[in-house]
Amino acid sequence: AQKITQTQPGMFVQEKEAVTLDCTYDTSDQSYGLFWYKQPSSGEMIFLIYQGSYDEQNATEGRYSLNFQKARKSANLVISASQLGDSAMYFCAMREGLGGTASKLTFGTGTRLQVML
Amino acid sequence: NAGVMQNPRHLVRRRGQEARLRCSPVKGHSHVYWYRQLPEEGLKFMVYLQKENIIDESGMPKERFSAEFPKEGPSILRIQQVVRGDSAAYFCASSQDRTYNEQFFGPGTRLTVL
Repeated sequence: AQKITQTQPGMFVQEKEAVTLDCTYDTSDQSYGLFWYKQPSSGEMIFLIYQGSYDEQNATEGRYSLNFQKARKSANLVISASQLGDSAMYFCAMREGLGGTASKLTFGTGTRLQVML
Repeated sequence: NAGVMQNPRHLVRRRGQEARLRCSPVKGHSHVYWYRQLPEEGLKFMVYLQKENIIDESGMPKERFSAEFPKEGPSILRIQQVVRGDSAAYFCASSQDRTYNEQFFGPGTRLTVL
């Protein structure tokens, strides 16, 4: 089974509108972390936002917020007031076993977001 | 403050040659991770190293691939006898310690095997 599932290969959004990128995850660990990264066409990986499994509040970073629904195992990224520079690939990732030895990130297949004028 | 440095940014090799990819982590970071991204795919974990030790190599192919992170100098990902299927972007990330939330990524090395 996929540990991270991103079901939207591509999304379009009008400039200045909000957009939600979906991410569901699968883990039996109680302690884990969820991440979103942005990969523009230049190729680098840019960290956007982090949510810990024990965090009660949804994470926010500027125009980015993470809609964390633990019971549904979903961690959707919400981008408000989209800008042309937001056009990129977006990857959801998970790190399991925060208190143990596991450290690797498991990535989803990504969602390509295109912001239109 | 310099971030994660990777070189070369682009590497072209012919089948059968060796590829050496270098990664200098963020200053003060002692944990390094290597990931591979095939075209149009997400990143796949390869190996996690701490200074002079391999902690987790569960994502490394069994043959031709090796990694090291010596006490002094950058981490090296070495691919021997490259094949066309090795063509990919290879990303290095570093973190302060095992439990730190964020892994800082380098710009990647794009390997093309002719």
